[in-house]
Amino acid sequence: DTEVTQTPKHLVMGMTNKKSLKCEQHMGHRAMYWYKQKAKKPPELMFVYSYEKLSINESVPSRFSPECPNSSLLNLHLHALQPEDSALYLCASSQGEQGGQKLFFGSGTQLSVL
Amino acid sequence: EDQVTQSPEALRLQEGESSSLNCSYTVSGLRGLFWYRQDPGKGPEFLFTLYSAGEEKEKERLKATLTKKESFLHITAPKPEDSATYLCAVPPTNDYKLSFGAGTTVTVRA
Repeated sequence: DTEVTQTPKHLVMGMTNKKSLKCEQHMGHRAMYWYKQKAKKPPELMFVYSYEKLSINESVPSRFSPECPNSSLLNLHLHALQPEDSALYLCASSQGEQGGQKLFFGSGTQLSVL
Repeated sequence: EDQVTQSPEALRLQEGESSSLNCSYTVSGLRGLFWYRQDPGKGPEFLFTLYSAGEEKEKERLKATLTKKESFLHITAPKPEDSATYLCAVPPTNDYKLSFGAGTTVTVRA
């Protein structure tokens, strides 16, 4: 199994809503990532979890809250988002956290904030 | 400052018309250069990793090559299903996270 599964595929939410994005991998990878991608732009790193601990937070606003319940799961909790947060949110995993690791990406969650 | 630059921004090809995409980088101590393919609304799909100058890798109609300053992705006799955005990425010198280029969007017309 070389898949990273993300749910939901699409999400529409209001600025006062609370929602969560979910990501799962069963490749035994020890690093998991959240990326944000705006249209026609490359992915931008948000968070990195290594061995289930948050190792990198790329100065992401607190309205985004990541969680890693176990080595296979990664969540991104959303609260009080702004319309400019509308984007494709990608989860990825790799065997290790070190540079030079191949990333496996999920299909993403297309988020629209109204 | 470490940089990754891709050109051209967009490429429109006729089916069967071979071409090349460029990725230039300024990272010292390269720890791998990665090529990904991304379809609209989907996550990037890994294609190749190249580690040293002179290295080449092939997959179907795609061949990636690497020099000390740039990488090329050659598309030979492309088909419409090769239409996608192709991203290259490298880990910066003193960091682990991948630095992505802006991508080249390839459109192949039948």
